[in-house]
Amino acid sequence: GENVEQHPSTLSVQEGDSAVIKCTYSDSASNYFPWYKQELGKRPQLIIDIRSNVGEKKDQRIAVTLNKTAKHFSLHITETQPEDSAVYFCAASIVWGNQFYFGTGTSLTVIP
Amino acid sequence: GAVVSQHPSRVICKSGTSVKIECRSLDFQATTMFWYRQFPKQSLMLMATSNEGSKATYEQGVEKDKFLINHASLTLSTLTVTSAHPEDSSFYICSARDPTTGGNYGYTFGSGTRLTVV
Repeated sequence: GENVEQHPSTLSVQEGDSAVIKCTYSDSASNYFPWYKQELGKRPQLIIDIRSNVGEKKDQRIAVTLNKTAKHFSLHITETQPEDSAVYFCAASIVWGNQFYFGTGTSLTVIP
Repeated sequence: GAVVSQHPSRVICKSGTSVKIECRSLDFQATTMFWYRQFPKQSLMLMATSNEGSKATYEQGVEKDKFLINHASLTLSTLTVTSAHPEDSSFYICSARDPTTGGNYGYTFGSGTRLTVV
């Protein structure tokens, strides 16, 4: 089955700096890679996603890159703000598959 | 967009009792729903896949007699934690996929249930 690894597990950045979170996956059949933001005690919220036919996707301060050959994808947050502080999860799945495989999460702290 | 409602949001129960958690898709029909468990500062662990009208599929290591799943309609799946023990205390989250939005693009999470067994 699919195995998703995520690094780092914790990340602290100064407000205004950039944050990068990296994930690798093992199953070459995976073709859909969402990123979720989860605040304490709340549901994960989709913040951005990418399909395997695209190498990069950007939405304002958030971007995701995908390298299919190397089987890794990354989340980039620029101009970080304190409200970006949360746990971020990557996931890998097949678009019409049954389940998501989640990374272990990254706790991001943005220091004002 | 697709909305998944989960109830209750918090529950405290005594050891040995059973607790039922409901997961509803509010504006779409979900033939498949998923139940996750999340320990503090850890990732989401898939417990089981709930299929409408048929038996749930449990992940390895999850006791199906302890975590009873019933998906009786296209909009409701329930997870019952039977004979709960303190080690069952956790955050349980359901999710569902809106098939009209195209496969896993329409994957939505419920608000979660914080279970505390005392």
